[in-house]
Amino acid sequence: SQQGEEDPQALSIQEGENATMNCSYKTSINNLQWYRQNSGRGLVHLILIRSNEREKHSGRLRVTLDTSKKSSSLLITASRAADTASYFCATDTGRRALTFGSGTRLQVQP
Amino acid sequence: DAGVTQSPTHLIKTRGQQVTLRCSPKSGHDTVSWYQQALGQGPQFIFQYYEEEERQRGNFPDRFSGHQFPNYSSELNVNALLLGDSALYLCASSGGTKQFFGPGTRLTVL
Repeated sequence: SQQGEEDPQALSIQEGENATMNCSYKTSINNLQWYRQNSGRGLVHLILIRSNEREKHSGRLRVTLDTSKKSSSLLITASRAADTASYFCATDTGRRALTFGSGTRLQVQP
Repeated sequence: DAGVTQSPTHLIKTRGQQVTLRCSPKSGHDTVSWYQQALGQGPQFIFQYYEEEERQRGNFPDRFSGHQFPNYSSELNVNALLLGDSALYLCASSGGTKQFFGPGTRLTVL
């Protein structure tokens, strides 16, 4: 079963704009991770945020976590055509078995 | 340093057949997890191996079985294939919290 749900399911923006994706989950977590997937290939790890952290940055990526609302957001600033991909959030309850959401398909128009 | 590798890349089988997928973890990683990703969905956890034993299992039938070898590589076996088993099968390895994914094996069941 899918614990996380991403919102929106699909997002289309112009190059240079910011993209925001949201993730909600149901149970208490140890950490939450965001992954990118290009064209149905392997998943690339983007960023991990622990349950005691509220915000984390990595390059053009900014992730927030609100454990009281059981939600997280991923912000990609100054998007590029190469950012076109599907983005997934995945929760880890501490047992190292990730539970993924259904993903957000991001299309960045050049 | 090679990342996670999987073989084969693609596979076509018919209903009722059996299939074996293979995974070599990233150097230094001792834990291997397998995920099934249906088209348009997020990955779903099948099971996880550590020290050659199945440590955790997701909601998959006994037709799905696995093995981990002393060199930490792993196999996923699926018996009595069903049409619904058609999916991308992803292997992930970890030595800590982050999981690193391979490119996947695309299984088509006809």
